[in-house]
Amino acid sequence: AQKITQTQPGMFVQEKEAVTLDCTYDTSDQSYGLFWYKQPSSGEMIFLIYQGSYDEQNATEGRYSLNFQKARKSANLVISASQLGDSAMYFCAMRMKGDKIIFGKGTRLHILP
Amino acid sequence: KAGVTQTPRYLIKTRGQQVTLSCSPISGHRSVSWYQQTPGQGLQFLFEYFSETQRNKGNFPGRFSGRQFSNSRSEMNVSTLELGDSALYLCASSLISGAGGQETQYFGPGTRLLVL
Repeated sequence: AQKITQTQPGMFVQEKEAVTLDCTYDTSDQSYGLFWYKQPSSGEMIFLIYQGSYDEQNATEGRYSLNFQKARKSANLVISASQLGDSAMYFCAMRMKGDKIIFGKGTRLHILP
Repeated sequence: KAGVTQTPRYLIKTRGQQVTLSCSPISGHRSVSWYQQTPGQGLQFLFEYFSETQRNKGNFPGRFSGRQFSNSRSEMNVSTLELGDSALYLCASSLISGAGGQETQYFGPGTRLLVL
């Protein structure tokens, strides 16, 4: 069955440190897309970064990068130089064949001053 | 360019009532998806509309329905509300549907529904 697993329910990280949020996925599809979203306490889902299954290079967007390891079915999000405003819930998601998107349970990230 | 808008932002209903939520996608976006988010179940896909047609549907009872208008605006309806329907309902839009998985969804702020 297709699913997304985020094994870290919560994380505490010191400001300015780098942080890695784990995400593994399971699918038999060859073509799929992987996303990371940030959800602050306000509730809005903010798109961070996208990685296509056929993309050979890891995606990067500013301080965000996606460590894509296809053989291990892993798509970890790396945030460099964390900031207090990075405190939020982070969701890993996968768009599957047929366009349905499934989400992981999320990781709550707390940045400490 | 304006983002995805959802109305109302907050709603309180009682069991047995029905509710209609509205979503206006980003201008030019033709695909609209709806999600339910609860603390227990997380984010769950409800349905997706593209060009006024439902393309995908999640595992929700028939009390949950939706539609999309010719201007791409979408509505979601829940009839005979139950306590468990209390959730944040998120709408997302994208320019096209699918495209090899390269399309990004942009979410609205959500509608918080409380069923008493």
